[in-house]
Amino acid sequence: SYELTQPLSVSVALGQTARISCGGNNIENRNVHWYQQKPGQAPVLVIYRNTNRPSGIPERFSGSNSGNTATLTISRAQAGDEAAYYCQVWDSLTAIFGGGTKLTVL
Amino acid sequence: EVQLVESGGAVVQPGGSLRLSCAPSGFTFEDYTMHWVRQAPGKGLEWVSIISWDGRNTYYADSMKDRFTISRDNSKNSLYLQMQSLTTEDSAFYYCVRAARGGDAFDLWGQGTMVTVSS
Repeated sequence: SYELTQPLSVSVALGQTARISCGGNNIENRNVHWYQQKPGQAPVLVIYRNTNRPSGIPERFSGSNSGNTATLTISRAQAGDEAAYYCQVWDSLTAIFGGGTKLTVL
Repeated sequence: EVQLVESGGAVVQPGGSLRLSCAPSGFTFEDYTMHWVRQAPGKGLEWVSIISWDGRNTYYADSMKDRFTISRDNSKNSLYLQMQSLTTEDSAFYYCVRAARGGDAFDLWGQGTMVTVSS
């Protein structure tokens, strides 16, 4: 079955740029979606189909997908961006999530 | 307000059964494919099941295929998950989730309902 690999944790200084990777075999051939989950809350969609932002998501959030790696980029990181981030793709009729990355804003 | 509200979570003994419900509001429920996604405490997200807008097509994660049943009643604006033969590994928050237009992202999540399987 298809697997997605994310780093367990990423740290970023306040105001700097954070990049969270999501690795998968030829992932560029799949649509990747990203979710943000703050402690005690339900996940929220922040990027869909690799590069698209839902309404209400700040422009600071962007996504890319190339080769074997999809990347979520958070520019000008804020304290409120501290959360777990999950990538997700479809493999046949099954939704696959990455293991999640905990973003810490220093 | 556009939202999903789950209910039915409880403490149940191993081998037991439970039925979860989800009440959507603020949008036309019958227009959307729906899912259940679960998350064990402190762990990652795990997709459980999908149901088409009309309830005719369903699919499950392999580990739940023979034990869980997803269903919906569009006339009652409700989504369900019937779970049986529960084990401790089924202990998790269960989220009701809406599929985005176009079908492949999850664009609206409920707050979840907790299922604890314990003797």
